Amino acid sequence: EAGVAQSPRYKIIEKRQSVAFWCNPISGHATLYWYQQILGQGPKLLIQFQNNGVVDDSQLPKDRFSAERLKGVDSTLKIQPAKLEDSAVYLCASSLGLAGRTDTQYFGPGTRLTVL
Amino acid sequence: QKEVEQNSGPLSVPEGAIASLNCTYSDRVSQSFFWYRQYSGKSPELIMSIYSNGDKEDGRFTAQLNKASQYVSLLIRDSQPSDSATYLCAVKRTGGSYIPTFGRGTSLIVHP
Repeated sequence: EAGVAQSPRYKIIEKRQSVAFWCNPISGHATLYWYQQILGQGPKLLIQFQNNGVVDDSQLPKDRFSAERLKGVDSTLKIQPAKLEDSAVYLCASSLGLAGRTDTQYFGPGTRLTVL
Repeated sequence: QKEVEQNSGPLSVPEGAIASLNCTYSDRVSQSFFWYRQYSGKSPELIMSIYSNGDKEDGRFTAQLNKASQYVSLLIRDSQPSDSATYLCAVKRTGGSYIPTFGRGTSLIVHP
């Protein structure tokens, strides 16, 4: 079974530029998550989708970050304009979306963003 | 206020010893608890999940949950150098959406 795919793996941009990340979840997984992991910290949830609807985006800096999940499969996360503090690894994860507590997340390899 | 607390470490143990990793959480209605292992430069991978008070064993790993004390731990028996990684504790709250919250992780070093 193929895992969660993300691209690009690495990205270097200058501040105030824009950048987009792509995620393809495991086939059949209804729930998709985007996390930001700053060096030395745990992953912070940015947004969670259930199919193509947003479950939670309370920690997404909406003035500069946006995300979409068209057709309930692939997702893109965009940052515009980027700031130095956005330098981090952006992790995409997916899960079956089972009701209750036993839904397991599987993480993609992440995209390492460096903002200069 | 941090919702999930972990000692960042590093925790250093000799090969063959038991490594004990601890995590506390603030939300009393949390229902699901997870331990992930993250090697440097890699993404997190699930090791254990636990939902009920008590112990849950899987091979060399034992997860322990005490909801009254809001405490969850991970024991690694017969630690190996390959266990050297950061261990992330994650908690899922109730409330319909089961939003996961991660701690900052504890770095474990197993030395030969």
